[in-house]
Amino acid sequence: ETGVTQSPTHLIKTRGQQVTLRCSSQSGHNTVSWYQQALGQGPQFIFQYYREEENGRGNFPPRFSGLQFPNYSSELNVNALELDDSALYLCASSVGLAGGSYEQFFGPGTRLTVL
Amino acid sequence: DAKTTQPNSMESNEEEPVHLPCNHSTISGTDYIHWYRQLPSQGPEYVIHGLTSNVNNRMASLAIAEDRKSSTLILHRATLRDAAVYYCILGGSNYKLTFGKGTLLTVNP
Repeated sequence: ETGVTQSPTHLIKTRGQQVTLRCSSQSGHNTVSWYQQALGQGPQFIFQYYREEENGRGNFPPRFSGLQFPNYSSELNVNALELDDSALYLCASSVGLAGGSYEQFFGPGTRLTVL
Repeated sequence: DAKTTQPNSMESNEEEPVHLPCNHSTISGTDYIHWYRQLPSQGPEYVIHGLTSNVNNRMASLAIAEDRKSSTLILHRATLRDAAVYYCILGGSNYKLTFGKGTLLTVNP
């Protein structure tokens, strides 16, 4: 069974640019969540997708957007990058909506640096 | 969002039990208590979760207070591989996990 994978591993962008991060869910999982983790902090919830629809969003501006595809893989898009967007971006998948009784399986993350 | 309070850090010796506490006095009746851990340079890893009753799995045990306002994650025999940041999280009907800063567990050989 393949776990959650994310690409790329590392990425360097400049302020104002746009970035797309990708995530492949674990087989059989229909829910994907994205988190931002700044250095020394716990992960912060960005949003969750369930069966291709956004279902829940954290305190992030609209320039953070996402997609979930029919095969349940997912993308996180960030427009107009700011220096504070530098962080580890984590993707997690589960068999149902997160937060309840379902465990989430996390990928290794994408380290984004904004210069 | 209901919040949790954990000590910033704890220290243990290898092969000894570790009890990691978590306070969640504002927990609602439908909130699950989740524990995740994060090893250096890795994504978080699920450890255990429960609602009202104590839970055991191959990694750990979760002891939940009768009033559910606190819980304890128990690692029965700590190993060096258990050194990580441990997060206690409440997951409820808003379908998201809100991570705090967690407890940094150091395991001494």
